[in-house]
Amino acid sequence: DAKTTQPTSMDCAEGRAANLPCNHSTISGNEYVYWYRQIHSQGPQYIIHGLKNNETNEMASLIITEDRKSSTLILPHATLRDTAVYYCIVSTPSAGNMLTFGGGTRLMVKP
Amino acid sequence: GAVVSQHPSRVICKSGTSVKIECRSLDFQATTMFWYRQFPKQSLMLMATSNEGSKATYEQGVEKDKFLINHASLTLSTLTVTSAHPEDSSFYICSARDRIRAGLNYGYTFGSGTRLTVV
Repeated sequence: DAKTTQPTSMDCAEGRAANLPCNHSTISGNEYVYWYRQIHSQGPQYIIHGLKNNETNEMASLIITEDRKSSTLILPHATLRDTAVYYCIVSTPSAGNMLTFGGGTRLMVKP
Repeated sequence: GAVVSQHPSRVICKSGTSVKIECRSLDFQATTMFWYRQFPKQSLMLMATSNEGSKATYEQGVEKDKFLINHASLTLSTLTVTSAHPEDSSFYICSARDRIRAGLNYGYTFGSGTRLTVV
């Protein structure tokens, strides 16, 4: 699986958009970009994933650059409950493939 | 949506005893489940891949005789920490993927984790 690079930590004001970047410059053509988050002492929670098109769901939006070497997760209106570690992972969508976690970004949403 | 139930959520055991952690996919079948370990302020580290009806595949450095994995059915995998020691204290997390919906690129579902403390 391709390696990803994320900032160690970020702050965001409550109610504002949180934009979390991820670099994955060695991503291969059949690898998807997955985003998960982990709230303290809980299992990771799936947020969103995509291949090359931008994606949006009820939780977030995923913007993938045209060359697919980087992406941005957008939480449009961050709340205090969005405080968590956010992981960007690239992987092929085979049922037998595990997810390899990097360091992630610790997002702190402040009042 | 896909739900993975992990039990127990917390366990405290004495050094030298064994502890079993269960991971169940509640509304889907999972031919493959994954076991992770997470130490404080660190990321998740894959320990092993559990395959239904066959032996688990362990990551380098993980002792298979210490961390016994049994994937007896399409909805249940267990991790047994044998002869536990204080250094085994950690947060253990399982993950599974719906084998039918996998082709639609659905994400992996994680259990809520088990906090193991060995005293």
